[in-house]
Amino acid sequence: DADVTQTPRNRITKTGKRIMLECSQTKGHDRMYWYRQDPGLGLRLIYYSFDVKDINKGEISDGYSVSRQAQAKFSLSLESAIPNQTALYFCATSLSGGQETQYFGPGTRLLVL
Amino acid sequence: QQQVKQSPQSLIVQKGGISIINCAYENTAFDYFPWYQQFPGKGPALLIAIRPDVSEKKEGRFTISFNKSAKQFSLHIMDSQPGDSATYFCAARRFEGPMNYGGATNKLIFGTGTLLAVQP
Repeated sequence: DADVTQTPRNRITKTGKRIMLECSQTKGHDRMYWYRQDPGLGLRLIYYSFDVKDINKGEISDGYSVSRQAQAKFSLSLESAIPNQTALYFCATSLSGGQETQYFGPGTRLLVL
Repeated sequence: QQQVKQSPQSLIVQKGGISIINCAYENTAFDYFPWYQQFPGKGPALLIAIRPDVSEKKEGRFTISFNKSAKQFSLHIMDSQPGDSATYFCAARRFEGPMNYGGATNKLIFGTGTLLAVQP
């Protein structure tokens, strides 16, 4: 977990506010992912990036945007937060070239009031 | 729709018992099936994984059994311990061929998770 960090770890915000969740990694991995976890729904992919120039939508990208500022940094933005975006958000990384393991950060718990 | 169905949602096992978690999938293009373990307050971490060309993989007390014809795979935890209490997620990856950035896609489809409690 120390190799993949997420900030903030907890956040409370109000409906309509813009919020950014940040992810940094020191693993030297080129691939990065954002997931959200909801009780009973498991982990669902929001966005993923295979390189600094590459951004792809996942299963549930509506209402979210991402930015890959550098190979080590991948941020997730909620332009106008709504209550059903209350969830646990995880960043993950992996290495290309046949390495399937994804390494997850410690998560950000987001509450939208 | 849920492409990977996981059951049960929760499981209570006595110390020393066997914990069994099941997953089923529909898409025959899935080529890699990992299990992730998540402790409270932590991110998921890879526990064990299998490819569809083998029927079983064992690592210590953890075993994946894979039934390709039935499109099912399961995690068995032998001699379950209180320290195994966690949430377990199965997952599947669909191979999507070579990409511009370093090979096949690595998108995982996760099951809904099983909360395992091992009682002392």
